[in-house]
Amino acid sequence: ELKVEQNPLFLSMQEGKNYTIYCNYSTTSDRLYWYRQDPGKSLESLFVLLSNGAVKQEGRLMASLDTKARLSTLHITAAVHDLSATYFCAVVNFGNEKLTFGTGTRLTIIP
Amino acid sequence: GAVVSQHPSRVICKSGTSVKIECRSLDFQATTMFWYRQFPKQSLMLMATSNEGSKATYEQGVEKDKFLINHASLTLSTLTVTSAHPEDSSFYICSASSDRNTEAFFGQGTRLTVV
Repeated sequence: ELKVEQNPLFLSMQEGKNYTIYCNYSTTSDRLYWYRQDPGKSLESLFVLLSNGAVKQEGRLMASLDTKARLSTLHITAAVHDLSATYFCAVVNFGNEKLTFGTGTRLTIIP
Repeated sequence: GAVVSQHPSRVICKSGTSVKIECRSLDFQATTMFWYRQFPKQSLMLMATSNEGSKATYEQGVEKDKFLINHASLTLSTLTVTSAHPEDSSFYICSASSDRNTEAFFGQGTRLTVV
């Protein structure tokens, strides 16, 4: 059974600082997603990572994937208040296309 | 990205009644749709997977007689919560994909409150 662990669960950081969210998964997969969720809203797709060593960047967010370590990171650079949200990683179960979600990281950016 | 429309966005119903939630893919044909449930401050849990024209596959612990899923066409799947109880109150989210190895797109979610 695929398990996805995310840490930290809660992250409070000051504007302008950098931080990283980690996503570990337990079995082989060929796709990993990062999503953002605002309170009361559905998911917004941020990144799709398909191969070992993949790195994608959008604005102040950068995601990477190490399939050998079964680890993905979401790095936040010079955080701004608008980035406050809950961030989920999700891993595709190899062979059946189901997504298993991490626990989520609730990010709060303090002015 | 592709658009998935979910309706209604919010619904309040009385205990014992049934509620139907619709999930439509607006600009692509969705061969597979997924239904998730999310309790407050928790992650998304997959409830079931539906493929057009066939019976849904439910995850362990999800009552198939309580959560009826119909995927009658390539653009529409419905989730009916039968005989709803307050513990069924949750945020229900659908997603749809057009093919294997393609990204699934999420609907806006439905906030169900059973009183």
